[in-house]
Amino acid sequence: GQQLNQSPQSMFIQEGEDVSMNCTSSSIFNTWLWYKQDPGEGPVLLIALYKAGELTSNGRLTAQFGITRKDSFLNISASIPSDVGIYFCAGRFTGNQFYFGTGTSLTVIP
Amino acid sequence: GAVVSQHPSRVICKSGTSVKIECRSLDFQATTMFWYRQFPKKSLMLMATSNEGSKATYEQGVEKDKFLINHASLTLSTLTVTSAHPEDSSFYICSAHGGEETQYFGPGTRLLVL
Repeated sequence: GQQLNQSPQSMFIQEGEDVSMNCTSSSIFNTWLWYKQDPGEGPVLLIALYKAGELTSNGRLTAQFGITRKDSFLNISASIPSDVGIYFCAGRFTGNQFYFGTGTSLTVIP
Repeated sequence: GAVVSQHPSRVICKSGTSVKIECRSLDFQATTMFWYRQFPKKSLMLMATSNEGSKATYEQGVEKDKFLINHASLTLSTLTVTSAHPEDSSFYICSAHGGEETQYFGPGTRLLVL
């Protein structure tokens, strides 16, 4: 199936730093989702975006639905150790099926 | 957010046996559920889409006779790995689509086939 390009693949940052990751697609989407997955667990939904240009925050997390509808980004401000994990983007055009990004592995160094 | 459970969380079985994994939506009705497989440090690989009351739709390369999916009710879908072999060892995750334009994931099932 289709897969989204997510970058960077991995990040090693110092605690307190801001983080930025993005997701791009060759197709347009009507919905973008961002998930976080801790080791050995299922992904947990962080932010859902439904309109092009939409900017949504959830605590220290902010995500935007790109105006071209082919990309989205996720920012984490003032990172803390518990932000460690793998972050996935997911996009949907129509129907129920979502396509997932390749994931960004985040390591926060205390 | 909505709650999706999976059972068992971990299972170890002998080669040749069958294993059933349950996925339940606890606080909403899921007309559609999805089954994914995830290899270490890799993204989610969609195996099949499970629709309540109808046959599952399998992704290309996924053997439907090996990975049997049943979605008998709006809150339960099951994945049965038949005649499991060591190469079937993996992390299996289900998700449920509940009408909103989102997916909620279960906690996953770690399968180890000896």
